[in-house]
Amino acid sequence: AQKVTQAQTEISVVEKEDVTLDCVYETRDTTYYLFWYKQPPSGELVFLIRRNSFDEQNEISGRYSWNFQKSTSSFNFTITASQVVDSAVYFCAYSGYSTLTFGKGTMLLVSP
Amino acid sequence: EAQVTQNPRYLITVTGKKLTVTCSQNMNHEYMSWYRQDPGLGLRQIYYSMNVEVTDKGDVPEGYKVSRKEKRNFPLILESPSPNQTSLYFCASSYRGTNTGELFFGEGSRLTVL
Repeated sequence: AQKVTQAQTEISVVEKEDVTLDCVYETRDTTYYLFWYKQPPSGELVFLIRRNSFDEQNEISGRYSWNFQKSTSSFNFTITASQVVDSAVYFCAYSGYSTLTFGKGTMLLVSP
Repeated sequence: EAQVTQNPRYLITVTGKKLTVTCSQNMNHEYMSWYRQDPGLGLRQIYYSMNVEVTDKGDVPEGYKVSRKEKRNFPLILESPSPNQTSLYFCASSYRGTNTGELFFGEGSRLTVL
């Protein structure tokens, strides 16, 4: 069975600091997808990124960047120059074909 | 506007009183799924449906039922709710399966069972 581990339960930073959220997964599949979702205090789940197992290129979107390393089964998420609005719970998730398995989430608190 | 709509958003009920949480999507998606979110446990899948009349158990199906009679609707039924089903529930849908693109989530339904 697939497993997603987000070892950091909670991270606190001061605004403008860079922060990296770790995600490690376990699988025997060769084809799979990895996701990151953001859950702000309002509670909704916001899709951030989807990456397939054959694409190890890093991706950058504004202040967000993702580092996918198949060799270490990791899909880490970095926020550069964090802002108070980044405060949220962030979930990493793994997908086969019919199920999406989530990590337990990392709560990020960005203080002014 | 493309969306997944859940109702009710908030509900307080008592043990044993049957309830249904509705979920509807307007994107003609084949795949729909229910998750529950509990502190420290993340989101766990309850049931999913690959298409009409096709449903399968997720990781935590005990105490829940679902049906998929129409493509757009995927209600979650608690026949006899118990306090351990107090949770935040999310319905989600996608075009086909969980690897074909973004999984769209509803806004969540917060259920309290006394």
